[in-house]
Amino acid sequence: QKEVEQNSGPLSVPEGAIASLNCTYSDRVSQSFFWYRQYSGKSPELIMSIYSNGDKEDGRFTAQLNKASQYVSLLIRDSQPSDSATYLCAVLGNTGFQKLVFGTGTRLLVSP
Amino acid sequence: GAGVSQSPSNKVTEKGKDVELRCDPISGHTALYWYRQSLGQGLEFLIYFQGNSAPDKSGLPSDRFSAERTGGSVSTLTIQRTQQEDSAVYLCASSSHAGTSGDTGELFFGEGSRLTVL
Repeated sequence: QKEVEQNSGPLSVPEGAIASLNCTYSDRVSQSFFWYRQYSGKSPELIMSIYSNGDKEDGRFTAQLNKASQYVSLLIRDSQPSDSATYLCAVLGNTGFQKLVFGTGTRLLVSP
Repeated sequence: GAGVSQSPSNKVTEKGKDVELRCDPISGHTALYWYRQSLGQGLEFLIYFQGNSAPDKSGLPSDRFSAERTGGSVSTLTIQRTQQEDSAVYLCASSSHAGTSGDTGELFFGEGSRLTVL
């Protein structure tokens, strides 16, 4: 089992719709969770972080965390074509000097 | 500089040659990562440096790969006897996090070094 799993997609949504991106992780002691966005040919950039169960909203983005289910998601409301990118889920452990582990990413395509 | 700097941005080499890729992290960042990304693929973890601790080399794909970090700052990734399957973008990232609970975990990535092995 991979440490961080994501559906590779592509996930296709029409402009204005809600895009839902999902991620599961295997290490129960993980405490910090992140979503990075990577445009084609560019480096990843951090868009959301979440540490507690529940929802965290930032503009059109909402991160959701359920530690009991080892599940984290990212919702993008009012999707725009400029949101088309690969979204990488990343998980940081809670013991010692744990490294940040990335999933393989979900490619999102938002059609006009 | 303000960001993570990598060089060279592009490197074309012949199979069997050695290459060195350099990463200059953000000043003061204790954590430094090397990742590899092949076309259309996810980030493949290679190696992780954290302060003065022994590096986590668990992602290095073979003994042809090695990395150093001098003085807790600049890092060099060396690939010996390059093979065609080594062709990829090599990304370096740094962070101020100490890997402990509650830190931001934000990694700042460089623009990458694109390696092509002919």
